Amino acid sequence: DIVMTQTPLSLPVTPGEPASISCRSSQSLLDSDDGNTYLDWYLQKPGQSPQLLIYALSYRASRVPDRFSGSGSATNFTLKLSRVEAEDVGVYYCMQRIDFPYTFGGGTKVEIK
Amino acid sequence: EVQLLESGGALVQPGGSLRLSCAASGFTFTNYAMAWVRQAPGKGLEWVSIISGSGGSTLYADSVKGRFTISRDNSKNTMHLQMNSLRADDTAIYYCAKADLTGTLGDWGQGTLVTVSS
Repeated sequence: DIVMTQTPLSLPVTPGEPASISCRSSQSLLDSDDGNTYLDWYLQKPGQSPQLLIYALSYRASRVPDRFSGSGSATNFTLKLSRVEAEDVGVYYCMQRIDFPYTFGGGTKVEIK
Repeated sequence: EVQLLESGGALVQPGGSLRLSCAASGFTFTNYAMAWVRQAPGKGLEWVSIISGSGGSTLYADSVKGRFTISRDNSKNTMHLQMNSLRADDTAIYYCAKADLTGTLGDWGQGTLVTVSS
């Protein structure tokens, strides 16, 4: 199985400041046939179900604010928040879907300082 | 608007069985694969199973293979997860999710809690 490793485990943030979360995969998530990188980001706000933020490395899901952005290579990925807002608190997960079983990172808890 | 509503979660004894359901609306059900993802108390997300739009293809995590069976009834826009030989480590909130053509889990239900305990 592909192992997804996220850092940091916890991220205290200041509203208005930028923040970033890293994710690393044990195998390449780049599909050489179609050129897509099969890495998604999800946010689970407190008491809620997970919601899709970013798909295929860098595409924002509908209604996701443009302060969220995704980038990376075949095995190293970053989720960036240009300016954190209070509503962004929760646990962020990366997930690979290039191969079954899909696997998630362990999560990064973002909280306001 | 996509809506996914899970049901069937309960307290069950180790070794017991349970059937979860996910009622879908707001999209053409047969056009989408559907998945189950679970979350143990205080833990992260674990992908469990996925079924194609036609129901002809299914895949499982090793942790549930041989014990869980995913199915769907496209005439009722409903997906199911039959869980047998339940163990304490199956205790979790079970979410159903709609998967797009490439597997992105774009929509999630609110989850249903399964507790396996004597």
